[in-house]
Amino acid sequence: DAGVTQSPTHLIKTRGQQVTLRCSPKSGHDTVSWYQQALGQGPQFIFQYYEEEERQRGNFPDRFSGHQFPNYSSELNVNALLLGDSALYLCASSAAGSYEQYFGPGTRLTVT
Amino acid sequence: ILNVEQSPQSLHVQEGDSTNFTCSFPSSNFYALHWYRWETAKSPEALFVMTLNGDEKKKGRISATLNTKEGYSYLYIKGSQPEDSATYLCAGRWGNYGGSQGNLIFGKGTKLSVKP
Repeated sequence: DAGVTQSPTHLIKTRGQQVTLRCSPKSGHDTVSWYQQALGQGPQFIFQYYEEEERQRGNFPDRFSGHQFPNYSSELNVNALLLGDSALYLCASSAAGSYEQYFGPGTRLTVT
Repeated sequence: ILNVEQSPQSLHVQEGDSTNFTCSFPSSNFYALHWYRWETAKSPEALFVMTLNGDEKKKGRISATLNTKEGYSYLYIKGSQPEDSATYLCAGRWGNYGGSQGNLIFGKGTKLSVKP
């Protein structure tokens, strides 16, 4: 079992650009959640996808959008990047009805 | 806005020492409490999920307790080893934030360093 995988591992972008991060959930999981961890903070919830729909959303601007595909994999898109978007982005997957969330290793985004 | 507090922020112990960390959270509408162990450059590893007041969970030398009435959880490590060095995160779920399927609200973590 590959667990939750994320790509790329690291990414450097310039202010104003757009970025797409990818996540493949653990086998058997149908729900994907995205979190942002800024330096010195705990992970902050961005949004959750289930059945290809955004089911819940945290306190993040519309520049943050996502998508879930029929195979349950997911993308996080961030438009008009700001310096403050520099962070570790974590993806977590879970199975419907289960409390457990399993995390990937994250994508480190640096905005210059 | 829900706030999860962890203490201490960091801890340095000698190999063989036993240690414990605290996670405090709002008890109203509480649903579940998660503990994760996170080594640098790796995925956070799920340790425990607890939902009921008085829950106690154990995994090897690590154990955790939950008090939902007063809003706290303790994580204990008995006989710390260098490989226990990691950041320990607690995260909660609340009924008014999606319940069992809702998002996790994390504390900032406790960074444990165990010296050989």
